[in-house]
Amino acid sequence: EPEVTQTPSHQVTQMGQEVILRCVPISNHLYFYWYRQILGQKVEFLVSFYNNEISEKSEIFDDQFSVERPDGSNFTLKIRSTKLEDSAMYFCASSSSLGGNQPQHFGDGTRLSIL
Amino acid sequence: SQQGEEDPQALSIQEGENATMNCSYKTSINNLQWYRQNSGRGLVHLILIRSNEREKHSGRLRVTLDTSKKSSSLLITASRAADTASYFCAPSPGAGSYQLTFGKGTKLSVIP
Repeated sequence: EPEVTQTPSHQVTQMGQEVILRCVPISNHLYFYWYRQILGQKVEFLVSFYNNEISEKSEIFDDQFSVERPDGSNFTLKIRSTKLEDSAMYFCASSSSLGGNQPQHFGDGTRLSIL
Repeated sequence: SQQGEEDPQALSIQEGENATMNCSYKTSINNLQWYRQNSGRGLVHLILIRSNEREKHSGRLRVTLDTSKKSSSLLITASRAADTASYFCAPSPGAGSYQLTFGKGTKLSVIP
C-alpha cells in the first residue's frame, strides 16, 4: 500500500539554526499537510498546501515556518531560526482531496530536537 | 475546525474483550474520522463516517454517530494485543476547512 515517507527520522539541531524536514507524499495525492506533536501533548495542525500555495495555516505557523513543493514528489517544511520550543515530532500527511472530506495519510514523523 | 474530546482517557482490557471509546464534539459536522496512533508512530486512518450515516463497519471496528447528541463511538471487537494504541476522533466541518483537530485521545491497553 502506498505510504507517506519522511526523512530524516530524527534531526538534532542547535538553537538558531535552520532546519528542513522532508516528506514524500503519496504520488497521486494533491493535498499536503504538516502537523506537530510536542512530547506528551496533542497532535496540532500547522499548515495545508494545495496547488502550490498554502490553503490554511494555524497560529503556530508563523513567519519562521515555510513550506515548499520543490519538485513533483517532495514536500518540505523549513524552520528558519529554530527555538527550543520547536522540539517536537513533525508529521507530514497527504490526501486525495480536501482533508476534511477524505482520509489523511500520515508519515511516521521526524523527531526534531533543538539543543 | 473543531476538536473532539475522547472518553475515557485510558482503557485497559483483556485480549478478546471488546473496547468502546466515545467522542463528543461541539458544532455541526460534515463527517467524523477516527485515527489510531501507535507509540512513536504516525496516525493511521481507521474509518470515516459521514453526517448522514448512523453506523459504519470495517472489519472488527464499528463506529456510530449521533448528530443530535454530537457524539460518536468506536467499538473494537475481539481485541488483540496489537490494538494497543491511542485512538483519536477528528470531527470535520467539511468544505472550507482542511485541518484535522485532535484531542488527547483514548489510550487503549490490551493485555495478552
